[in-house]
Amino acid sequence: SQQGEEDPQALSIQEGENATMNCSYKTSINNLQWYRQNSGRGLVHLILIRSNEREKHSGRLRVTLDTSKKSSSLLITASRAADTASYFCATAFPNTGGFKTIFGAGTRLFVKA
Amino acid sequence: ETGVTQSPTHLIKTRGQQVTLRCSSQSGHNTVSWYQQALGQGPQFIFQYYREEENGRGNFPPRFSGLQFPNYSSELNVNALELDDSALYLCASSLLRLAGRIRNTGELFFGEGSRLTVL
Repeated sequence: SQQGEEDPQALSIQEGENATMNCSYKTSINNLQWYRQNSGRGLVHLILIRSNEREKHSGRLRVTLDTSKKSSSLLITASRAADTASYFCATAFPNTGGFKTIFGAGTRLFVKA
Repeated sequence: ETGVTQSPTHLIKTRGQQVTLRCSSQSGHNTVSWYQQALGQGPQFIFQYYREEENGRGNFPPRFSGLQFPNYSSELNVNALELDDSALYLCASSLLRLAGRIRNTGELFFGEGSRLTVL
């Protein structure tokens, strides 16, 4: 099964509203990352938060990490139609010889103009 | 732009054939990971190469194999193609630090993917 699971699976909001996506994972991690993917394209890295950090900001993005609950959230403020995409959380955890980065199933965000 | 390029962008094969997908990593990155993404799903981890050796593998059969070369390029080979192998194949490069007590990995830089259709 996947290491990370996003919630909700799909989200539809109006332009200007905030969008919140959640991610839960199962094992101890080195870091947690959020990625964005436009339909059929490669993934684009948005933000990385390490296991010893609790909150991080980047522009309109705010990520929180609660290692005791093994969960993270991504908040996009003042959403725009251009934010329409799939968003994935990915967890990097120790593996033989290094780390594995495993993705969840994603949240499909649709922002209506 | 991530500096990671993949080829070909699209290809069509028939069941039983073999395919080689190629990836050129970002300069200076010592790790390349390959993912399979079926339509509407998240990327599934196939394997990872660090300094030309496989150092992690997901739940994929041995007919999925790879290589990483000193010039930052890599290959994913799939033998005996099956219909379910139809997917977007993504490679990602990254920098893995395993020196001494520092064990850390960073963000992944993805290519645009190779879309494989098996008929």
